Amino acid sequence: DAGVTQSPTHLIKTRGQQVTLRCSPKSGHDTVSWYQQALGQGPQFIFQYYEEEERQRGNFPDRFSGHQFPNYSSELNVNALLLGDSALYLCASSRGSSTEAFFGQGTRLTVV
Amino acid sequence: GENVEQHPSTLSVQEGDSAVIKCTYSDSASNYFPWYKQELGKRPQLIIDIRSNVGEKKDQRIAVTLNKTAKHFSLHITETQPEDSAVYFCAASTRGGGGNKLTFGTGTQLKVEL
Repeated sequence: DAGVTQSPTHLIKTRGQQVTLRCSPKSGHDTVSWYQQALGQGPQFIFQYYEEEERQRGNFPDRFSGHQFPNYSSELNVNALLLGDSALYLCASSRGSSTEAFFGQGTRLTVV
Repeated sequence: GENVEQHPSTLSVQEGDSAVIKCTYSDSASNYFPWYKQELGKRPQLIIDIRSNVGEKKDQRIAVTLNKTAKHFSLHITETQPEDSAVYFCAASTRGGGGNKLTFGTGTQLKVEL
């Protein structure tokens, strides 16, 4: 079992650009959540996908959007990147809403 | 929405001593409280969790206690070892019924000194 995998591991983008991050959930998991972790802070919930629909959303602007595919994998898209979007983006998967969440290793995004 | 506060932000103990990290939450509907350990440059890893129908849970050297009335929960690590050095995050969630969004505390940097 490969666990939760994310790609890419590191990314450097220029302010104003767009970025897409990818996540494959742990085998048997159908729910994917995305978190933003700024340096020295706890992860902040962005949104959660289940059955290819956004089920919950945190306090993030519409520049942050996502998608879930029929195989349960997910993408996080961020448009019009700001310097403040620089962070570690973590994906977590679970089976429904009743099991513990397992995290991927994250994608380190740097906006310059 | 839920707010989770965590203390202390840094904690230094001697090897073999105990370490205690405390968290408080604001939403009385929260019913699931996991603790994650994050080593530098690595993913958060679940080390123990507790549900609101239980007051205490233990797993070897790690224990978590929950006081629903006071809305606080704590992580206890006994006989600390150098490999326990990491950042620890508490979190709160309302599980079931349409989602399990985790609200995290700000983290505690635990350093176990030889």
